[in-house]
Amino acid sequence: GAGVSQSPRYKVAKRGQDVALRCDPISGHVSLFWYQQALGQGPEFLTYFQNEAQLDKSGLPSDRFFAERPEGSVSTLKIQRTQQEDSAVYLCASSLGLGYNEQFFGPGTRLTVL
Amino acid sequence: DQQVKQNSPSLSVQEGRISILNCDYTNSMFDYFLWYKKYPAEGPTFLISISSIKDKNEDGRFTVFLNKSAKHLSLHIVPSQPGDSAVYFCAARIFGGGADGLTFGKGTHLIIQP
Repeated sequence: GAGVSQSPRYKVAKRGQDVALRCDPISGHVSLFWYQQALGQGPEFLTYFQNEAQLDKSGLPSDRFFAERPEGSVSTLKIQRTQQEDSAVYLCASSLGLGYNEQFFGPGTRLTVL
Repeated sequence: DQQVKQNSPSLSVQEGRISILNCDYTNSMFDYFLWYKKYPAEGPTFLISISSIKDKNEDGRFTVFLNKSAKHLSLHIVPSQPGDSAVYFCAARIFGGGADGLTFGKGTHLIIQP
């Protein structure tokens, strides 16, 4: 596809479960970003990859959050032992790379933790 | 501590008139600003951007103005159309700072009245 895709689109988890959210960036995009958007808020930065290197993870809210991009393409955001406060939309974005300001967003994964 | 602020949660404008969305920021290190548009259940879509070395950027019906001394930017939409009804997010970045994630405001819900 031409755009950023994310799966699943919706995920319901029981508190304490582990979840994995997938992002397929635009082909050839070097940079990949994860954001968390709580209800009524703007997206908040979680982490950033340049190719397979995770250059910034300062936005990850706790050590239960882990992201990887092993081959510099698809990325997975994993949340261990989910809590109710993790309920949010998780957005993935990609860009051509350093020097390119425009980020292209996927549709997001809505995570609900019961 | 919100570094990017959109103080109007919603704005209602008549079709054909001008829509003006405002955004303020506090971090003087920001040097690139973007506006994104978001429909329900979709990811944000890039609309228009401006570098801090400019004070105006225009693209069709959309114009962004930047007042660096006031740390204020605004998005003008002329004329407003029904399809413009969406949530608009102002975002900023520190170019080359290593953390390439965008900092978003909370958004303004624009409603175009027929």
